[in-house]
Amino acid sequence: KAGVTQTPRYLIKTRGQQVTLSCSPISGHRSVSWYQQTPGQGLQFLFEYFSETQRNKGNFPGRFSGRQFSNSRSEMNVSTLELGDSALYLCASSLGHGTGVFKEQFFGPGTRLTVL
Amino acid sequence: DQQVKQNSPSLSVQEGRISILNCDYTNSMFDYFLWYKKYPAEGPTFLISISSIKDKNEDGRFTVFLNKSAKHLSLHIVPSQPGDSAVYFCAASGSPFESSGNTGKLIFGQGTTLQVKP
Repeated sequence: KAGVTQTPRYLIKTRGQQVTLSCSPISGHRSVSWYQQTPGQGLQFLFEYFSETQRNKGNFPGRFSGRQFSNSRSEMNVSTLELGDSALYLCASSLGHGTGVFKEQFFGPGTRLTVL
Repeated sequence: DQQVKQNSPSLSVQEGRISILNCDYTNSMFDYFLWYKKYPAEGPTFLISISSIKDKNEDGRFTVFLNKSAKHLSLHIVPSQPGDSAVYFCAASGSPFESSGNTGKLIFGQGTTLQVKP
């Protein structure tokens, strides 16, 4: 079974631009969560989507948004990029709702975003 | 406010010996805990988890212990191997079952870099 895939793997943008990152979950997984990893803040939760609906949201400004499609693929968007947005953006998928289902999350390789 | 803390940024052990990685948490609502291993340029890899109804869970060389009264968990790796050298993150969540509303949100510690020397 293929793992979580993220595209692109690397991205360089300049301040003020916007960026869209894509995540394809493991087949059959319906929940997708996004995390930001930086050296200073570690891994921080951005948001989670399930059945095309945002279920949880972390403490990030409104410039960070996301969506999920009917095939469970997800995208996140960052508008008006700032230098501090440079980070590794990780996507994780899990089975989602289901009685007795433990929701271990499986991570993709991440997208390394550099903002100049 | 750091709800999950890994106070040791690094740990070095000899091959074949035991590695013990520690994690403390402050939120008593957490009732599901996970450990992940991360190599450079890769996403975290799930290792082992434990529910708050247990105090120990074992999977091969990996054992996780949970002390709820102390809000402390630890990961034991026995015997340690050079291939175990990586960054280890502990993470906490609400109940993973459907009835909980926070199952998709993991709170991570800062990570501990483990080096296993041959």
